[in-house]
Amino acid sequence: DAKTTQPNSMESNEEEPVHLPCNHSTISGTDYIHWYRQLPSQGPEYVIHGLTSNVNNRMASLAIAEDRKSSTLILHRATLRDAAVYYCILLSGNTPLVFGKGTRLSVIA
Amino acid sequence: DAGVIQSPRHEVTEMGQEVTLRCKPISGHNSLFWYRQTMMRGLELLIYFNNNVPIDDSGMPEDRFSAKMPNASFSTLKIQPSEPRDSAVYFCASSKARVQYGYTFGSGTRLTVV
Repeated sequence: DAKTTQPNSMESNEEEPVHLPCNHSTISGTDYIHWYRQLPSQGPEYVIHGLTSNVNNRMASLAIAEDRKSSTLILHRATLRDAAVYYCILLSGNTPLVFGKGTRLSVIA
Repeated sequence: DAGVIQSPRHEVTEMGQEVTLRCKPISGHNSLFWYRQTMMRGLELLIYFNNNVPIDDSGMPEDRFSAKMPNASFSTLKIQPSEPRDSAVYFCASSKARVQYGYTFGSGTRLTVV
């Protein structure tokens, strides 16, 4: 199974950019890179996804390495409400979303 | 769009009782997923359906667990009999059956078996 590696935890100051890394060295050509986050006491929430090109949406940006073996989720200005567990997941074909342990992001005021 | 709707939000039951969790997916989504979350094991996929048909139930922990999707707008997860180790938050999610779409999760049902 294609897998991802993320740091267990990260810390950021409020209103500063945050770069959350993800390694996926065994990614296959058909794998999409998905990011989800889970705020305290809530269900997981879709953030962004991409295949090869960098992607931007209202929540975040996704930067994908040229060889696709790593990616970075970018929160441009962290707020206290961005404190959550962030999951980087590979998704392809008919395989379902399988969550790892993710990165717990703490935001300091 | 009301999102994925789960009921009840909280359930407290005694060991041995039957528990039924309910989920209404987003209209137009043809894939539905049941997950369970505990501190020890994190988020685990239990079962998922495509077009109301169960595709993979290998994550269902025991025969005490069963799930149905009688139509495109409703699914149930049943535990009979329930045990204290079943205590967890159960999430339902729905999606269009393509990797290019994200999943939408419900708010979850917190189950406590005493």
